[in-house]
Amino acid sequence: EIVMTQTPLSLSVTPGQSASVSCKSSETLLHGDRKTYLYWFLQRPGQSPQLLIYEVSSRFSGVPDRFSGSGSGTDFTLKISRVEPEDVGIYYCMQGIHLPWTFGQGTKVEIK
Amino acid sequence: EVQLLESGGGLVQPGGSLRLTCAASGFTFNSEAMSWVRQAPGSGLEWVSAISGSGGDTYYRDSVKGRFTISRDNSKNTLYLQMNSLRAEDTAIYYCAKAGVSGGTRPTDKWGQGTLVTVSS
Repeated sequence: EIVMTQTPLSLSVTPGQSASVSCKSSETLLHGDRKTYLYWFLQRPGQSPQLLIYEVSSRFSGVPDRFSGSGSGTDFTLKISRVEPEDVGIYYCMQGIHLPWTFGQGTKVEIK
Repeated sequence: EVQLLESGGGLVQPGGSLRLTCAASGFTFNSEAMSWVRQAPGSGLEWVSAISGSGGDTYYRDSVKGRFTISRDNSKNTLYLQMNSLRAEDTAIYYCAKAGVSGGTRPTDKWGQGTLVTVSS
């Protein structure tokens, strides 16, 4: 199965500053259909995960534009510009190219 | 509004069985694949099983093959997970999740609030 590795595992950010989370996959996530199946989720405390970014860089419906995704192949980044208190939680990347779908270990983002 | 509501979790002894249910609303249920994803206490996310919109195709992670069965009743907009021969390592919150943005069975667009399964004697 594809292994997803996130760094860092925790992050403390001052409100208004930016934060970045890295995700690396053990295999390319570029499919033969030319799409790259990499997703980002946020799990706020006590809640279920919610989709932020799909296919590397497309924001899901209702997601603020301070969230952006980039990358290709096996290396990906989630950037949060102008962090707000509501951005606290655990961020997960997920690969969707080969079953079983697999997730990174999660990156816990806290506010200073 | 898309809603997913899981139920059926609880405390069960090792070797026992449980059936989880996910009631769906707010979308055309039979058009979307669905998944079960679990999260052990204090741990990350682990995909468990998925089923196509028609119910004709099912998928499982190796550790649950032969023990868990995913199914759906499209007339009732309901997803199920029958879990047999439960082990301590199956202890987790179980989420149902709807596919969508990328098609296939990828658990993306919406997740329920989860139901807790505890396997312990």
